[in-house]
Amino acid sequence: QSALTQPPSASGSPGQSVTISCTGTSSDVGAYNYVSWYQQHPGKAPKLMLYEVTRRPSGVPDRFSGSKSGNTASLTVSGLQAEDEADYYCSSYAGSKNYIFGTGTKVTVL
Amino acid sequence: EVQLVESGGGLVKSGGSLRLSCAASGFSFTSYDMNWVRQAPGKGLEWVSWISSSTNYIYYADSVKGRFTISRDNAKNSLFLQMNSLTAEDTAVYFCVRAGSTNWNRNPPVLLSFDVWGQGTMVAVSS
Repeated sequence: QSALTQPPSASGSPGQSVTISCTGTSSDVGAYNYVSWYQQHPGKAPKLMLYEVTRRPSGVPDRFSGSKSGNTASLTVSGLQAEDEADYYCSSYAGSKNYIFGTGTKVTVL
Repeated sequence: EVQLVESGGGLVKSGGSLRLSCAASGFSFTSYDMNWVRQAPGKGLEWVSWISSSTNYIYYADSVKGRFTISRDNAKNSLFLQMNSLTAEDTAVYFCVRAGSTNWNRNPPVLLSFDVWGQGTMVAVSS
């Protein structure tokens, strides 16, 4: 199964918003509301930011929000802060007991 | 503090074997499903394997099926990954990952998130 497609990079100035897309197929993103998002700083382990498309774990700021339309899920970071600069990965259940991740997006805070 | 600490990584020749371990602490290990997720150098994340809390359910990615074996020792709060017939494509950082929750109303059950990650252990396979 191929990885979900994300843009390689995205950027915004402090205080602005940035939205990252995650495109799959009707067999994964489009079929299930089991999309999650992970933030990874260089050399660190990933951190769960959103799950089930829109749900935030405790401790994750409400500046992070998610949505889904058809085969594409999106992560929006509002009020960008310097510490938001990181790689972001989406993930989806893909049926047949499989889980796939996105190609990753590097977010730069200008 | 919830913590996952991996060990057992290293350099191995193609065709060789390696056994990874993960020590869990700070939470009720027996109550959570666990996973291994890997990341090749400079690349994205790849889910490898899942084992349910009671070991009733075990799943693998197609890329490792038949070569890797996941197991756990709930008495010792430990997760393992036995890796055989290793190839260069298995070179990666291997993360021990807790499943945040599972939808048991589906068949097969579905993991809803990967909510706690270890720092990872590097596995390098030389040809």
